[in-house]
Amino acid sequence: NAGVTQTPKFQVLKTGQSMTLQCAQDMNHEYMSWYRQDPGMGLRLIHYSVGAGITDQGEVPNGYNVSRSTTEDFPLRLLSAAPSQTSVYFCASSYKSAGGPTDTQYFGPGTRLTVL
Amino acid sequence: AQSVSQHNHHVILSEAASLELGCNYSYGGTVNLFWYVQYPGQHLQLLLKYFSGDPLVKGIKGFEAEFIKSKFSFNLRKPSVQWSDTAEYFCAVKPGGFKTIFGAGTRLFVKA
Repeated sequence: NAGVTQTPKFQVLKTGQSMTLQCAQDMNHEYMSWYRQDPGMGLRLIHYSVGAGITDQGEVPNGYNVSRSTTEDFPLRLLSAAPSQTSVYFCASSYKSAGGPTDTQYFGPGTRLTVL
Repeated sequence: AQSVSQHNHHVILSEAASLELGCNYSYGGTVNLFWYVQYPGQHLQLLLKYFSGDPLVKGIKGFEAEFIKSKFSFNLRKPSVQWSDTAEYFCAVKPGGFKTIFGAGTRLFVKA
């Protein structure tokens, strides 16, 4: 299994540009999430999905859109990039344990985004 | 609001020194607790986790953590660190449901 894959690894945008960060997992996990990692702030949840066709907002959703048309893919769209969105973005997936609550998250390698 | 506090942002140790990284959370109910590690240039991976049972949890690479419910703490320990333990360590809390709340992280540098 490839696990969780993310593309691109690096990206530079100009303010106002839009782009899509790709995330895919081949573990048939139901749950997928997008986080941003900023120095001194840890990981903050942007959006998450509990299954195909179902998404919800996390802590910092503004300026981002997501969709989940398949179990495998969970792209993150930046609608109009701003310098405040300069960050490292991580996608993660997890499966639902037998008891109900979700379990360990598996992270992708990250995308380092710079917005000028 | 629910939060996770990691006491130290940067820690520098010599090889063979003992390590303890503090983690406290603010949530009164049942929680699942995690420590994740991010080695330089790599993605986050699970170090250890606590769901229930024995509050002393053992993870990979000789790490362990102790859940003290009365103190809302989940501190990470290792008796003797190695240069290869240089990494950033994140404490995380899942207070039920889906969302996981991460601490700000502690950067550990181990001098050879």
